[in-house]
Amino acid sequence: DSGVTQTPKHLITATGQRVTLRCSPRSGDLSVYWYQQSLDQGLQFLIQYYNGEERAKGNILERFSAQQFPDLHSELNLSSLELGDSALYFCASSPTGQFDNYGYTFGSGTRLTVV
Amino acid sequence: EDQVTQSPEALRLQEGESSSLNCSYTVSGLRGLFWYRQDPGKGPEFLFTLYSAGEEKEKERLKATLTKKESFLHITAPKPEDSATYLCAVQSSSGNTPLVFGKGTRLSVIA
Repeated sequence: DSGVTQTPKHLITATGQRVTLRCSPRSGDLSVYWYQQSLDQGLQFLIQYYNGEERAKGNILERFSAQQFPDLHSELNLSSLELGDSALYFCASSPTGQFDNYGYTFGSGTRLTVV
Repeated sequence: EDQVTQSPEALRLQEGESSSLNCSYTVSGLRGLFWYRQDPGKGPEFLFTLYSAGEEKEKERLKATLTKKESFLHITAPKPEDSATYLCAVQSSSGNTPLVFGKGTRLSVIA
């Protein structure tokens, strides 16, 4: 157990629907990162939050949004889902959100299947 | 733009057959290069951080090395339990840039 908790583990939904993925960071970590992993693209950075504020943004679609709450858990909202959004979504956390010598601690991921 | 290219995409080894995985990177000032291991259905797990050319780190049968343009993950006398996908990532020293990952090398070690 890495200490980063992601729920749900699996999600199957229809095109056009909206889902919310949840992440609780490792105790003491202030920064949360969201990554998308597909077979052909590898791990793609979506967005980073640090202590409740957006810190960095990657190639995140406008249909996707995220937030980090005062208790530091984070949610990734995916709307108007398309077949191509099917992927593994990982949350990771780190202590400072700057440079951390041990990189990020990853959760086990949420497997999203859009049908 | 920071880029990481890993080769080969997949590697199949007999138990005890040593080999190396390659990670080529382009980054505007390297702050750190990371190696992770990922098992099927799980999140990446941290292995090593390398900071400057010439540096080496070891853990059991794994040794990571770093040059100015590449990193190698050497696997000595691998065992079936070393089978996994190995990911390389870089973090730039310019601004607040998150880790950029390569697509990984899928290693299979056959008994």
